[in-house]
Amino acid sequence: SQQGEEDPQALSIQEGENATMNCSYKTSINNLQWYRQNSGRGLVHLILIRSNEREKHSGRLRVTLDTSKKSSSLLITASRAADTASYFCATDNDMRFGAGTRLTVKP
Amino acid sequence: GAGVSQSPRYKVTKRGQDVALRCDPISGHVSLYWYRQALGQGPEFLTYFNYEAQQDKSGLPNDRFSAERPEGSISTLTIQRTEQRDSAMYRCASSLLAGGSLYEQYFGPGTRLTVT
Repeated sequence: SQQGEEDPQALSIQEGENATMNCSYKTSINNLQWYRQNSGRGLVHLILIRSNEREKHSGRLRVTLDTSKKSSSLLITASRAADTASYFCATDNDMRFGAGTRLTVKP
Repeated sequence: GAGVSQSPRYKVTKRGQDVALRCDPISGHVSLYWYRQALGQGPEFLTYFNYEAQQDKSGLPNDRFSAERPEGSISTLTIQRTEQRDSAMYRCASSLLAGGSLYEQYFGPGTRLTVT
């Protein structure tokens, strides 16, 4: 089974709202990565957070990592319609992906 | 090249035929990964290589699937005696360092395989 599992499976919000999605994993990691995939397209790497980091920012993205709970969250602030995509997490020791969170941002 | 390339982009084949899917990673990238993705699902890990060595093939569904990377660069995923359930998007990714550790993966555009 895959290491990274995202929830919720689907999230629908209005433009300008924040979107939060979560990822849980099972074993120890060195890093965790978040990817975005627009419908029918390839995956694009968004951000990597190392196991000794608790929070990381990149533009409107904020990622947190709680190694004690084996979980991570991705927050997208001030969402835009262009953020509509599926979001996946993956860990370095098991490059398997979950089903992803399908985010829809309504204009 | 500028990114990971895959060929062909689309492949339609009849059930029972063999197919070979090619991946050309970013130059200098050590690791190469193969994934399969069904519509609406996340990528399903198949196998990966560090240089020419296949490190993990536990994701290959059965012995009809095989992969090679003989010179540590281009890789070929071969599916023998294709079945309709093999229809999917096959994606390749590469990363700079071994095992993807500490560095992100760069994904190719994928090969859409349709078995009729």
